[in-house]
Amino acid sequence: QVQLIQSGADVKKPGASVKVSCKVSGYTLPEFCIHWVRQAPGKGLQWMGGFDPENGETIYAQNFQGRVTMTGDTSTDTAYMTLSSLRSDDTAIYFCARSQGWNSWMSLWGQGTLVTVSS
Amino acid sequence: EIVLTQSPGTLSLSPGERATLSCRASQSVTSTYLAWYQQKPGQAPRLLIYAASNRATGIPDRFSGSGSGTDFTLTISRLEPEDFAVYYCQQYDSSFTFGPGTKVDIK
Repeated sequence: QVQLIQSGADVKKPGASVKVSCKVSGYTLPEFCIHWVRQAPGKGLQWMGGFDPENGETIYAQNFQGRVTMTGDTSTDTAYMTLSSLRSDDTAIYFCARSQGWNSWMSLWGQGTLVTVSS
Repeated sequence: EIVLTQSPGTLSLSPGERATLSCRASQSVTSTYLAWYQQKPGQAPRLLIYAASNRATGIPDRFSGSGSGTDFTLTISRLEPEDFAVYYCQQYDSSFTFGPGTKVDIK
C-alpha cells in the first residue's frame, strides 16, 4: 500500500529544534519529490519547501530560509524536515506530501505531525 | 509570489445542492498548475483536482474543476454528506501557494 507515515507528536521549548520524519512505503523515496506543508491551529495550509530525493535538491519558502532543512535517507526511504529556532507560532501540524517532479500537484499526504512549542 | 484568494469564505448548503467555489489568482496561472484539495477535520488534505480540471484517482464525478488565467472554479454538482469540508486551491506554477480555503458546511 502506498503511503507516507510520519513520526509522532512532539513538544519543544522555544529556541530548540525539531526533526520530523516521513517514511514512504509502496514505492521508493527517489521516485517522487517530498514537500512539507504546515497548518497552524484553525488556520490554512502553508508550503514550507520541497526536497528532491533523487539528487538532493531543495527549494525552501522564503519565510523559512535559514531555519529549515529538508533531507532524505534513501536506504530507509525516509524524508526529514528539521526546523530550528522554534517559536510559539511554529506550533502547528506538519504534513509531508509527494509530487511527481517539482511543478506538480501533491498527490499523496502523510497523516501529519503535531509540533507544540511551549515553555 | 502568486497570491490566491478564495470565495466565499463559508458556503452553507444542504445535501443535494450544488456548490460553486471560486479561486482567484493575483497573476495568471498556467492551467496545468492549479489543484484543489479537500480537508476534513483531523485529517490530511486530499487531492481532488489537478491541472485545473482533471479528477484525481477515485474522486467521484460530482466534483469538477474549470477555469484559466486568474479565475478557477470547483463545482460539486450534488452535495453528499461526506462533502462538507474545507476546500483549498493551490498553484504550483511559480513556487507553491495555497488559497485560504472555503468551508462548505451544512445549512
